[in-house]
Amino acid sequence: DTAVSQTPKYLVTQMGNDKSIKCEQNLGHDTMYWYKQDSKKFLKIMFSYNNKELIINETVPNRFSPKSPDKAHLNLHINSLELGDSAVYFCASSQPMTTEAFFGQGTRLTVV
Amino acid sequence: LAKTTQPISMDSYEGQEVNITCSHNNIATNDYITWYQQFPSQGPRFIIQGYKTKVTNEVASLFIPADRKSSTLSLPRVSLSDTAVYYCCSLNDYKLSFGAGTTVTVRA
Repeated sequence: DTAVSQTPKYLVTQMGNDKSIKCEQNLGHDTMYWYKQDSKKFLKIMFSYNNKELIINETVPNRFSPKSPDKAHLNLHINSLELGDSAVYFCASSQPMTTEAFFGQGTRLTVV
Repeated sequence: LAKTTQPISMDSYEGQEVNITCSHNNIATNDYITWYQQFPSQGPRFIIQGYKTKVTNEVASLFIPADRKSSTLSLPRVSLSDTAVYYCCSLNDYKLSFGAGTTVTVRA
């Protein structure tokens, strides 16, 4: 049983396209995150949701729109993709305000 | 929120102890320090967390001095499978922030 699952694992698309990444967790956690990891392995938080509500938006361009239909899901939709959006995107979940977060396997997005 | 600084890389040999120190000079009173491990093509995995003094679990130990301006992750008797990137992180409310990571390479 995968605790935090993301789909797709790989995504190759052209500039200007719109794409979505889905994330689901079966751990019963209230808090979910999206992180972006660039080629230098820096992990930068993008969004944090708690109980379906947006808590943190780290100055991410509004081309990125997270959506949480319920506590177990946090999807990421990206409009008008740019070359600089190429990265690995990780979804994670945790109990609120705890340090132990569980990460998905990541989605490698390549914009060409 | 604490800005963390850690070495870019460290090399070690099987059976040795590896100590990775992270600096977090401006850590806030309510920030916790935590460490994650990441293998290639996988998501980060929680190792250990602490607030002050020493914490030990089956994987590692974490030392945080009284002033909390730094912390040291200690990996006892490393094996080849411990080769990974290790991240020093801080938690403030709902924000779990990662440092730049230390690539630990264990050689036979």
